[in-house]
Amino acid sequence: DGGITQSPKYLFRKEGQNVTLSCEQNLNHDAMYWYRQDPGQGLRLIYYSQIVNDFQKGDIAEGYSVSREKKESFPLTVTSAQKNPTAFYLCASTTWSSYNEQFFGPGTRLTVL
Amino acid sequence: RKEVEQDPGPFNVPEGATVAFNCTYSNSASQSFFWYRQDCRKEPKLLMSVYSSGNEDGRFTAQLNRASQYISLLIRDSKLSDSATYLCVVNPPGGYNKLIFGAGTRLAVHP
Repeated sequence: DGGITQSPKYLFRKEGQNVTLSCEQNLNHDAMYWYRQDPGQGLRLIYYSQIVNDFQKGDIAEGYSVSREKKESFPLTVTSAQKNPTAFYLCASTTWSSYNEQFFGPGTRLTVL
Repeated sequence: RKEVEQDPGPFNVPEGATVAFNCTYSNSASQSFFWYRQDCRKEPKLLMSVYSSGNEDGRFTAQLNRASQYISLLIRDSKLSDSATYLCVVNPPGGYNKLIFGAGTRLAVHP
């Protein structure tokens, strides 16, 4: 079954700790994206990557970091510098085209205690 | 002005009703348009792409008006299972397929 997986589904973190969210896809998609969703708000782009070993900041990259060492994987690290990290994090992927929709993983719900 | 604006709702409608959502976008050079559906605490899923000529998929009809920069979604014969948040999504120019998401319109269909 082709798709996007994210783990864990729920994550609890103490203030001051870094945490890494996993995103894996077996759709052979070139581009991958990380979004954050807060209640009542639209998705906001954190980082995106068009090809392996290359990524760009989105609209709200401060306090986050990513890597793209493999085509299938695009992990997101939420660092202690992120002031308000409690949110629903969604990973998406798509083929390299300007007209294609994005496909989403099931999301990780991060709560900072 | 937000790049993509939607009425947040909620739209409370009885089963069988017809309901329409509108969405406006700010960048006239935007290239492609979509409606996504998001259930509570789940990921967004593509409902349909929106083409210039308009398109229909069963009970759902999407239309694009480039001159007025708005997109619409019409749902006929509403079902209880249609209850969800509907996200209007726009692909602006500039490449990289960086989609812009509206905050969503919530639909609640009741018996």
